[in-house]
Amino acid sequence: DVKVTQSSRYLVKRTGEKVFLECVQDMDHENMFWYRQDPGLGLRLIYFSYDVKMKEKGDIPEGYSVSREKKERFSLILESASTNQTSMYLCASSLSISGGGYTFGSGTRLTVV
Amino acid sequence: KNEVEQSPQNLTAQEGEFITINCSYSVGISALHWLQQHPGGGIVSLFMLSSGKKKHGRLIATINIQEKHSSLHITASHPRDSAVYICAPRGFGNEKLTFGTGTRLTIIP
Repeated sequence: DVKVTQSSRYLVKRTGEKVFLECVQDMDHENMFWYRQDPGLGLRLIYFSYDVKMKEKGDIPEGYSVSREKKERFSLILESASTNQTSMYLCASSLSISGGGYTFGSGTRLTVV
Repeated sequence: KNEVEQSPQNLTAQEGEFITINCSYSVGISALHWLQQHPGGGIVSLFMLSSGKKKHGRLIATINIQEKHSSLHITASHPRDSAVYICAPRGFGNEKLTFGTGTRLTIIP
């Protein structure tokens, strides 16, 4: 089975800190995604990547950046964490072309205080 | 942008009841995913379908591409089916999904 692993399940950070959220998948998927999920707003796409060193902005990229140096790893970076970035962050990966094999990580609940 | 609407937003039913969750979207799509999210956050992809009907155990998903509508059915519902169910259409030529806000299903023993 494809596995998408997020490095932390719960995280508490202070306002202004630089925060790294890591995501690793083990099935050679081309596509990787970062979402945030907030009550009443559903899942919203922050950034996605079709290939190594390739990234595209999603619907809400402000305040975030990403890095994909290796195919299996996609990192989300909060350059200077703010309280409005308190949320559940979910990583996902999928096969290119067919879009099949869409698999989510178990999520990181980030609280910025 | 694809507008996705799910109904109902909340559904409470007795164990054993037949459950239907509906999803409508506004723009033509290449496929649609049904996702399940249990308390605690993890999301599982239940189905990806682009036409007709798929069945997996007690779960059945149907899609009508012309009417831009999909349904998820659960037969003989069980308390372990309690979760949020999310539909997510995928556009043509890209891998991005658009997500509904979900249907919170609670099955009472």
